[in-house]
Amino acid sequence: DQQVKQNSPSLSVQEGRISILNCDYTNSMFDYFLWYKKYPAEGPTFLISISSIKDKNEDGRFTVFLNKSAKHLSLHIVPSQPGDSAVYFCAASRGYGNNRLAFGKGNQVVVIP
Amino acid sequence: NAGVTQTPKFRVLKTGQSMTLLCAQDMNHEYMYWYRQDPGMGLRLIHYSVGEGTTAKGEVPDGYNVSRLKKQNFLLGLESAAPSQTSVYFCASSFRQGSNNEQFFGPGTRLTVL
Repeated sequence: DQQVKQNSPSLSVQEGRISILNCDYTNSMFDYFLWYKKYPAEGPTFLISISSIKDKNEDGRFTVFLNKSAKHLSLHIVPSQPGDSAVYFCAASRGYGNNRLAFGKGNQVVVIP
Repeated sequence: NAGVTQTPKFRVLKTGQSMTLLCAQDMNHEYMYWYRQDPGMGLRLIHYSVGEGTTAKGEVPDGYNVSRLKKQNFLLGLESAAPSQTSVYFCASSFRQGSNNEQFFGPGTRLTVL
């Protein structure tokens, strides 16, 4: 039973435009969320995170929004760049510092120059 | 500072053969993890360790064993490989509780079982 769900497995966007990735979770105990980015033949790398006490976290071109009541979060990339072409994984954990992460299946993003 | 390294990068096994995947980290992390990634399945936790000499089962532990004899190393063993274990295996490490849950991943090992 997938506790973290990422629908719309692939997304194509023009360079300079906004990329929006969505993630839904089912476990109401999750209270810390992370996004990872993965290039082919490499391991995932941490991108940005958000605690459930916040509804928004921003880091440069990347912003994560959290809607706890809807159990939904989204990642916004503005402006999108060709180097953003990768697979993006949403992950969730129970408690800040909890060692176990539940991952979604990932979203493939292709940024067209 | 190499971060998390994995050995080997690629391996082909026949059904029933055994092998060990080695993960090493030089960041003095307490926690280490083994995941597998299959098409359309995301990352699934196999086993993890919260410190030297300790191991615990994750989401999909069957058919695998692990050992953490040294803090910097985490070994994943397949005693009798099966085609269902064809996958890409990722090792990760992190600081203990109290950090921001960020896990650092290795480059992966692509395993094919014929």
